[in-house]
Amino acid sequence: AQTVTQSQPEMSVQEAETVTLSCTYDTSESDYYLFWYKQPPSRQMILVIRQEAYKQQNATENRFSVNFQKAAKSFSLKISDSQLGDAAMYFCAYRVNNAGNMLTFGGGTRLMVKP
Amino acid sequence: DVKVTQSSRYLVKRTGEKVFLECVQDMDHENMFWYRQDPGLGLRLIYFSYDVKMKEKGDIPEGYSVSREKKERFSLILESASTNQTSMYLCASTRWGVQLRGSNQPQHFGDGTRLSIL
Repeated sequence: AQTVTQSQPEMSVQEAETVTLSCTYDTSESDYYLFWYKQPPSRQMILVIRQEAYKQQNATENRFSVNFQKAAKSFSLKISDSQLGDAAMYFCAYRVNNAGNMLTFGGGTRLMVKP
Repeated sequence: DVKVTQSSRYLVKRTGEKVFLECVQDMDHENMFWYRQDPGLGLRLIYFSYDVKMKEKGDIPEGYSVSREKKERFSLILESASTNQTSMYLCASTRWGVQLRGSNQPQHFGDGTRLSIL
C-alpha cells in the first residue's frame, strides 16, 4: 500500500520570506503523479502544483515550486515571498498512473503566515 | 470551471439515524469520490465510483455505503450513524482516462460537509 507522510503538523513563516513543507511517500510503482493541495479556511481544496514522476525537472507555478527527489521519495513544496493568503492547510498527495485516479493524502501541514 | 456541490455545509444528526450526504458535479466527470478528513490523518478515501451504478471500496468503507444512480450525483450513506463518524466529509470528481501520458487531471473538490453525530 502507498503511504504519504508529512512530518510537520504546523509551520510558520514571516510574510515575504520563504518556507519549505516536506513530504515523503512510499511506493513500489515507477509511474505516478504527486500533488500539493491547499485548503484555506473556506475548506475548498485547491490544487497548487503537480509533478509527473517521469519528469526530472521540478515543477514551478509562480511562487510555488517543488523539490522532487525520486530516489529518496521526497516531494517538498517551497513557497517564496510568502503572503498572508498562503495561510492554509497543505496536503501532499500521490496517485498511481492508472485509470482509477485515486489519491492518497498525507496528514497535512498547517501553515501560518505572520505579518 | 468545474463545480462540485455538496448539499450541506453543516449537519447534526443523532446516533442510529440514517444519514445521506449528497454530492453533485456539473462537468460530466466519470469518477467521483468520498473522503473523510480528520486532524492529523489527512483525507482518507471511503468509496469511489467510476461509472453509474459502479462503486469500489476505498481505505475505510466500514459503516458507509454509496449510491450512484446518475452520473452527476454520488451519495454517501451512513446506515446507522455513530459518534466516531463525526468528521468533515469531502466529495471530489475527475475525468476518466488517465491511460494517456500527461493526463494528470486533478480532482475537483466540493466545499465539504461538517457532520456531527450526537
